[in-house]
Amino acid sequence: EPEVTQTPSHQVTQMGQEVILRCVPISNHLYFYWYRQILGQKVEFLVSFYNNEISEKSEIFDDQFSVERPDGSNFTLKIRSTKLEDSAMYFCASSGTGITKEQYFGPGTRLTVT
Amino acid sequence: AQSVAQPEDQVNVAEGNPLTVKCTYSVSGNPYLFWYVQYPNRGLQFLLKYITGDNLVKGSYGFEAEFNKSQTSFHLKKPSALVSDSALYFCAVRDGRDDKIIFGKGTRLHILP
Repeated sequence: EPEVTQTPSHQVTQMGQEVILRCVPISNHLYFYWYRQILGQKVEFLVSFYNNEISEKSEIFDDQFSVERPDGSNFTLKIRSTKLEDSAMYFCASSGTGITKEQYFGPGTRLTVT
Repeated sequence: AQSVAQPEDQVNVAEGNPLTVKCTYSVSGNPYLFWYVQYPNRGLQFLLKYITGDNLVKGSYGFEAEFNKSQTSFHLKKPSALVSDSALYFCAVRDGRDDKIIFGKGTRLHILP
């Protein structure tokens, strides 16, 4: 069964550094998403991406964040200058074009900012 | 604004007993409702969804959920709990006009052997 994959599984970085989190969505999906889950809190939507542009973003997704689909398979989330409060589990998801656009989630990348 | 409420932080059920995990939602448009499960150090795994049609939907691992429009609820159920069902369960809603899924805070289900 096809699945969303994410790398790395755990990333440790120092405050102020740039990080890139990578995702490989399910191959025939056209919608891509990033969510985050701060430890002990609920899963929060960050951004959705379709047709090479952002289709929706939350207030969390400020200028420090960017997304890109650099080739036909990868979908990346970049944080330009990490803050301590960016420490969280980041989930990538993808969906097809059906009416439900059911989202399939990857296993997540745990980002620790020190 | 969309929201999801899971009133219980934890639910304890003896193995073999029926279980219910509660969820209520608020959405302005047509609701698409989902349940996801998260095992330790794992991602979010899709369990089931309600889009339209029969109010009782069946999903993976013997789980089912009942959509109640008048009570704006979508409770997760299983007739006979297994110890392996112990995990964190998230109810989620998507407004049909939006891309984003809004998650509840999660309910930890603990099945006692």
